[in-house]
Amino acid sequence: DAMVIQNPRYQVTQFGKPVTLSCSQTLNHNVMYWYQQKSSQAPKLLFHYYDKDFNNEADTPDNFQSRRPNTSFCFLDIRSPGLGDAAMYLCATSREGDSYNEQFFGPGTRLTVL
Amino acid sequence: DQQVKQNSPSLSVQEGRISILNCDYTNSMFDYFLWYKKYPAEGPTFLISISSIKDKNEDGRFTVFLNKSAKHLSLHIVPSQPGDSAVYFCAAMDGANSKLTFGKGITLSVRP
Repeated sequence: DAMVIQNPRYQVTQFGKPVTLSCSQTLNHNVMYWYQQKSSQAPKLLFHYYDKDFNNEADTPDNFQSRRPNTSFCFLDIRSPGLGDAAMYLCATSREGDSYNEQFFGPGTRLTVL
Repeated sequence: DQQVKQNSPSLSVQEGRISILNCDYTNSMFDYFLWYKKYPAEGPTFLISISSIKDKNEDGRFTVFLNKSAKHLSLHIVPSQPGDSAVYFCAAMDGANSKLTFGKGITLSVRP
């Protein structure tokens, strides 16, 4: 089945220790998104890639970076995690060009910061 | 400032009855609306959508109604089943900008 895969599902890191979350997709979609969802909050878009073009949301902290080495993979790097960065991180994909394209989500990575 | 609001955090209904999940929005540029369903330990999955040129879209047991003048939409599930117990997110899209804006979600519990 075509899908969006996120690894690891659970990640524990220490305050200030860099961490990388990964996302891969077999849907061959050209757009990939990273969302942050804190408890009982709406998923919040951090940034997205349209093919190789990176689009950062205005309020995404500089602490968050992303890489997309190819169509299938996308990484979220948190350079110096703070306690406030503990959240669920969701990766999603869509196929631009479809009218009002739905997004397909991975299962998420739950990040804990100690 | 929340542009998509799901003001009730939870809803409990009896199996077989109707579930009505509400969503309000403030941005008049939104022209496409989606509902996503999320089970624990899984990502959100697309359920149903509606364009602003329509006021109703139906798919099996699920119907979404849109009232543009009130900036309000609702998801009706009839009949409700225990397997429908999940978190439901309302999301909106501005056609000129394909990004989704989500509400906080509502937890639906369907009692057997």
